Amino acid sequence: KQEVTQIPAALSVPEGENLVLNCSFTDSAIYNLQWFRQDPGKGLTSLLLIQSSQREQTSGRLNASLDKSSGRSTLYIAASQPGDSATYLCAVSNYGQNFVFGPGTRLSVLP
Amino acid sequence: DTGVSQDPRHKITKRGQNVTFRCDPISEHNRLYWYRQTLGQGPEFLTYFQNEAQLEKSRLLSDRFSAERPKGSFSTLEIQRTEQGDSAMYLCASSPPTTDTQYFGPGTRLTVL
Repeated sequence: KQEVTQIPAALSVPEGENLVLNCSFTDSAIYNLQWFRQDPGKGLTSLLLIQSSQREQTSGRLNASLDKSSGRSTLYIAASQPGDSATYLCAVSNYGQNFVFGPGTRLSVLP
Repeated sequence: DTGVSQDPRHKITKRGQNVTFRCDPISEHNRLYWYRQTLGQGPEFLTYFQNEAQLEKSRLLSDRFSAERPKGSFSTLEIQRTEQGDSAMYLCASSPPTTDTQYFGPGTRLTVL
């Protein structure tokens, strides 16, 4: 059974810092991995999708990497801003449909 | 592109009552997913439709839960004889044929008293 963990559970940084969020999964035979952002009381917004054949994806200040063999992914956020404050969730799919989510990392960027 | 919509946004019901939620996916998205999320946790997969066919159901989806997607457009999720443990946020997501990226709706928050 696929299990996803995220470290740290919560993170508080001053504005302008670069930061890394971590995601680990137990079954390395994944089809793809997706990073989401969730604002309080809201739905999820997709940030980046990495296919199993890819090692990284970039979108603006965000860069996600994938190391299937070690069962890890990282989300790098450059030059953090207060508007980046949210919960960041990692999800993996073993065959492209059913995503298994981690519990999330709650990020606070202080002005 | 108006995004995925869900109705109602909030529902308060008494234990034992039936409730039904609706999800309207993004136009031309052939895949539709239902998830349940409790406080402090990530979403848990409930069920998945491709067009009108329900292709996968989680073990979390007990016989009190039923989902439909008639004509492959909107979907409904019904919970019969609600229990306090059903209190959660119910999220719907959809995907187009060309990518596995999932686009989520705002969710329906269910409170069972």
